[in-house]
Amino acid sequence: DIQMTQSPSSLSAFVGDRVTITCQASQDISNYLNWYQQKPGKAPKLLIYDASNLETGVPSRFSGSGSGTDFTFTISSLQPEDIATYYCQQYDNLLFTFGPGTKVDIK
Amino acid sequence: EVQLVESGGGLVQPGGSLRLSCSASGFTFSSYAMHWVRQAPGKGLEYVSAISSNGVSTYYADSVKGRFTISRDNSKNTLYLQMSSLRAEDTAVYYCVKARITMIPGGYWGQGTLVTVSS
Repeated sequence: DIQMTQSPSSLSAFVGDRVTITCQASQDISNYLNWYQQKPGKAPKLLIYDASNLETGVPSRFSGSGSGTDFTFTISSLQPEDIATYYCQQYDNLLFTFGPGTKVDIK
Repeated sequence: EVQLVESGGGLVQPGGSLRLSCSASGFTFSSYAMHWVRQAPGKGLEYVSAISSNGVSTYYADSVKGRFTISRDNSKNTLYLQMSSLRAEDTAVYYCVKARITMIPGGYWGQGTLVTVSS
């Protein structure tokens, strides 16, 4: 099975800061990676697919990069509405495992 | 507009059974694979199961294999998850998710339905 790890597990940053989250796969998954945002009490929202493609309607301050086993998710300028938990998800194999999540807060 | 509406959640005793439904609209249901994902209270997302567009191919997480059965009725635009031998650790909000392309999960999720397994 492919295991996904994320770091950090939580972070706190100022409005306007650049925020970076990393996701690592236990084996090569090419670019088969989604990034989701989940706000409390809500369903997850897809932000990035195929590791770096922005879903339609998602603000351009969100971006993703990477391939193989190492991936990065970036918020270029943190906004108050970005407070949420962010998850990566692999789809290289048909078990579609998620990372454990990164909780993002405002300082 | 794509809509996914889950139903069927509730309180069930350990060892019991429950069937979840997901009613889909706003897209050609029979053309897309579908998924179930769950989230235990205060925990992260856990992939549960997937089914191909024609219902022939199904996939399960090890944690539910042999206990859960995914199915679909394309004439009714409805996805199902039959859950049996339920355990306390199956307590979670269950979401249905539309595939983006082929089997790949995508950007449309239902609002979720809560399953509580407790005596």
